[in-house]
Amino acid sequence: SQQGEEDPQALSIQEGENATMNCSYKTSINNLQWYRQNSGRGLVHLILIRSNEREKHSGRLRVTLDTSKKSSSLLITASRAADTASYFCATDTGGGNKLTFGTGTQLKVEL
Amino acid sequence: GAVVSQHPSRVICKSGTSVKIECRSLDFQATTMFWYRQFPKQSLMLMATSNEGSKATYEQGVEKDKFLINHASLTLSTLTVTSAHPEDSSFYICSARELTGRFFGPGTRLTVL
Repeated sequence: SQQGEEDPQALSIQEGENATMNCSYKTSINNLQWYRQNSGRGLVHLILIRSNEREKHSGRLRVTLDTSKKSSSLLITASRAADTASYFCATDTGGGNKLTFGTGTQLKVEL
Repeated sequence: GAVVSQHPSRVICKSGTSVKIECRSLDFQATTMFWYRQFPKQSLMLMATSNEGSKATYEQGVEKDKFLINHASLTLSTLTVTSAHPEDSSFYICSARELTGRFFGPGTRLTVL
């Protein structure tokens, strides 16, 4: 079963705007990770946030984690057409052995 | 970062045939590799965890006799879809864990006619 549910399922924005994607999960986690997938390709790791962290930044990416609400958000600032992809959250419930992926958000950034 | 490759990238086969997909860690050793399946516009579903030198651990609902996994070396895991049927058509992705994180292969698109 899916650990993470993401919303929105699809998001279309104009270049330069910010994009926010949300992820909710059900069980306790060790860390939560965000991945990007271009159409028909493998996954690229974007950022990892540990359960004891609340916010993390990497370039134009900002991730928040609220363990009390079992939710996380990914913010992409000043979006570019090249950011068009599917974005997945994945939870690690311990040991790093099993990543459980969310349902994903398809982001389209238009010129 | 570490590189994981998959071969083939795309395969089309007739119903009833078996297909082997290779997953290699190119510049690191991976005692554990993971196999995922992804249907169009859906998320990745973990199929099994492949352990070097031992039997794979399959997720609930995944038939181990249907999806044979062999992890004979620290850099290679193979997934064989036996007697493939059209419903097995999917995107198969492997992943390997390295010290700095988890790396994913580019995926294999399987189409069973």
